[in-house]
Amino acid sequence: ETGVTQTPRHLVMGMTNKKSLKCEQHLGHNAMYWYKQSAKKPLELMFVYSLEERVENNSVPSRFSPECPNSSHLFLHLHTLQPEDSALYLCASSQDDSGGQETQYFGPGTRLLVL
Amino acid sequence: GDSVTQMEGPVTLSEEAFLTINCTYTATGYPSLFWYVQYPGEGLQLLLKATKADDKGSNKGFEATYRKETTSFHLEKGSVQVSDSAVYFCALRFQGAQKLVFGQGTRLTINP
Repeated sequence: ETGVTQTPRHLVMGMTNKKSLKCEQHLGHNAMYWYKQSAKKPLELMFVYSLEERVENNSVPSRFSPECPNSSHLFLHLHTLQPEDSALYLCASSQDDSGGQETQYFGPGTRLLVL
Repeated sequence: GDSVTQMEGPVTLSEEAFLTINCTYTATGYPSLFWYVQYPGEGLQLLLKATKADDKGSNKGFEATYRKETTSFHLEKGSVQVSDSAVYFCALRFQGAQKLVFGQGTRLTINP
């Protein structure tokens, strides 16, 4: 148990559906992240929020829309996804001190299947 | 750009064998280096880290030494257990940056 929870753990959706992934951290951190883990590819950073402001967006398609309403919660809103978006989506948090040494703590992930 | 390269998996060993998982990196500068582990059905957990050259990170019997001259951070364990079966990720992160750059992961299976 790392202090980062994600719901749902598994999600199956059609290409026309709209769904949201939720992440909550109980560690008092001020930065949160979304990563995508696809088969046979390195983890890809999607978005970074620091102090509830988006500070990084790694060329992610607009069908993925993040939201960070406060420092403890992070959402990833999904709409009109493609089958190639099927992957494990991991949330992480850290205490951002810009030192590059703070550990990122990961949630268990949401396994997404797009049909 | 910055990148991390890990040895190809999967790696299969017998219990009590010696483990090495190679990791090399390409970066302009001196990043912090990390090993994360992902057990089946779970998210990533930090295993160990090193923040400067010649630092040795260690945890749960695993060790890795930050080698600037060879730009490497190889993971080792003297005697593996079945419970060490997991996917291991090497990663780097620069001071002042929030982005972790991961290797592709190495799947390790330990047989009794």
